[in-house]
Amino acid sequence: DAGITQSPRHKVTETGTPVTLRCHQTENHRYMYWYRQDPGHGLRLIHYSYGVKDTDKGEVSDGYSVSRSKTEDFLLTLESATSSQTSVYFCAISERERDTQYFGPGTRLTVL
Amino acid sequence: AQSVTQLGSHVSVSEGALVLLRCNYSSSVPPYLFWYVQYPNQGLQLLLKYTTGATLVKGINGFEAEFKKSETSFHLTKPSAHMSDAAEYFCAVSDRGGYNKLIFGAGTRLAVHP
Repeated sequence: DAGITQSPRHKVTETGTPVTLRCHQTENHRYMYWYRQDPGHGLRLIHYSYGVKDTDKGEVSDGYSVSRSKTEDFLLTLESATSSQTSVYFCAISERERDTQYFGPGTRLTVL
Repeated sequence: AQSVTQLGSHVSVSEGALVLLRCNYSSSVPPYLFWYVQYPNQGLQLLLKYTTGATLVKGINGFEAEFKKSETSFHLTKPSAHMSDAAEYFCAVSDRGGYNKLIFGAGTRLAVHP
């Protein structure tokens, strides 16, 4: 298994509070991704990173921001959580462009 | 824009029967194609992928898929289902240009009954 951990694994929070999810990898892969998984939608890309301090938006980036200050860590922040952001969030990594992506175990976030 | 359609959100088969999960994509050029499997409360695990070359791709756990350009399809098959195959399966495509952004289908939940 690829060395990817996500923290926390479960979180319940209230509407309007900031939330930060962390993805940590031990593979030294250049590319990192954040997806959300919702029933009937599969996985949708939120943001991705192609290097330290290099990030770009995915298809569902509104309400989310990311940061990558080190190769191994990719943070996803919900500035002010809303109930529509209740979801399961997955981090993924890949070594090269257009290479296979390997997924972390996921974080289940509930916004009340 | 690329899209992926998985026909059938739920598929049920008997143990030992053929498994066929359908995936069609829309893309202006042949993309890279992937099948992932997700077991309950786990992340996604790569089953197999097609990039170039042979159009019949073999993956883990006895699964295989065939890329058919004329039909824009990448259906997943397994000759004989096992109880342990019960999971959700996702087809995904990646454009050959630009960064490796995966576009996922909505998923197909496979149930295997005795």
